[in-house]
Amino acid sequence: GQQVMQIPQYQHVQEGEDFTTYCNSSTTLSNIQWYKQRPGGHPVFLIQLVKSGEVKKQKRLTFQFGEAKKNSSLHITATQTTDVGTYFCAGRRNSGNTPLVFGKGTRLSVIA
Amino acid sequence: DSGVTQTPKHLITATGQRVTLRCSPRSGDLSVYWYQQSLDQGLQFLIQYYNGEERAKGNILERFSAQQFPDLHSELNLSSLELGDSALYFCASSVGSWDEQFFGPGTRLTVL
Repeated sequence: GQQVMQIPQYQHVQEGEDFTTYCNSSTTLSNIQWYKQRPGGHPVFLIQLVKSGEVKKQKRLTFQFGEAKKNSSLHITATQTTDVGTYFCAGRRNSGNTPLVFGKGTRLSVIA
Repeated sequence: DSGVTQTPKHLITATGQRVTLRCSPRSGDLSVYWYQQSLDQGLQFLIQYYNGEERAKGNILERFSAQQFPDLHSELNLSSLELGDSALYFCASSVGSWDEQFFGPGTRLTVL
């Protein structure tokens, strides 16, 4: 079945450093979504990417969707302690009502 | 606050028992999704309902069942519980099918 792999599993950074998490799918995706889950909280939708090569920015966050629509990345510039949490990517194949498949997430720790 | 409510917040029960988790979606959302999140695991999709009908099924055990009622709230029934069923169970809702999902606060199930 469809698999979505995320790396790294954990990342510890000093406040002010940049952070990137990568998401790779075994199959071509119709779209990819990113969610953030704070410790003890629930996942919160960040963004959806649909087009090949798409790049979207939200303040210090930059999201990219690969040209082949099989990979994606989330880059955070100058991390802050408020960025702490687990970032999940989730992708869907473009066939019927296939479900969203979540990666296992990247847990980000920010050291002040 | 996502607008999605889940009850109860915590549930402690014994092996072999049966429990029911309840979810009320955001007003206007027709889709309800159930996910299981175990320690250090990603979100495992269980099942989706759209406007009262089952739409997609994931890795849901035969001991688990769900339904969506005419008022669109949903229940997840877990029976013959095992220790390994201990997890966070999230409900999410969306307007359509597989668009931006809004997650509830989750129900933490502990099976002793």
